[in-house]
Amino acid sequence: GNSVTQMEGPVTLSEEAFLTINCTYTATGYPSLFWYVQYPGEGLQLLLKATKADDKGSNKGFEATYRKETTSFHLEKGSVQVSDSAVYFCALRGGGGSARQLTFGSGTQLTVLP
Amino acid sequence: KAGVTQTPRYLIKTRGQQVTLSCSPISGHRSVSWYQQTPGQGLQFLFEYFSETQRNKGNFPGRFSGRQFSNSRSEMNVSTLELGDSALYLCASRESGAITDTQYFGPGTRLTVL
Repeated sequence: GNSVTQMEGPVTLSEEAFLTINCTYTATGYPSLFWYVQYPGEGLQLLLKATKADDKGSNKGFEATYRKETTSFHLEKGSVQVSDSAVYFCALRGGGGSARQLTFGSGTQLTVLP
Repeated sequence: KAGVTQTPRYLIKTRGQQVTLSCSPISGHRSVSWYQQTPGQGLQFLFEYFSETQRNKGNFPGRFSGRQFSNSRSEMNVSTLELGDSALYLCASRESGAITDTQYFGPGTRLTVL
């Protein structure tokens, strides 16, 4: 079945540092890939998505590129802010089994210090 | 458009009781999915409803059930509550159910079982 492996957290960075959160997946076919963010006490918000190989999703300075050859969808941001502190989830849907539900990684807690 | 709403936001129950959670999707969205979030298991898919029919089900016991009404609102029910059912229950809606559709999440209902 489908699975998502995310970089272990927590991650602590200083403001304006570069961020990378690694995400790799296992799925047959061509799933859609997503990054969601969860702020304390809230539900999940879609951060960005990519639906086919080599697509780049971007939003609010965050980027991730769908790499079929390495089955990866790493999240990056050039300069993080304190307000980016949250839990980040990588997820996929679809693939060869056409799984309709989202399969999530375990989440990565990011803390940005001023 | 208003986002996904979930009621109640917080619930405290005791073992053996049952509970009903409610979800109102974004206007025009016909697909509603439910997820359970716990620190130990992460985010796990419960079920998906589309046009009042359960289309997909995760690996949860029969104590977990749901339904969808003609206005797309959905409820999930958990009977004979156990301590391990304490979790954040998230509802998500999407427009048609296509694999590439974005799922939008509500703020969740925090259930505590004592």
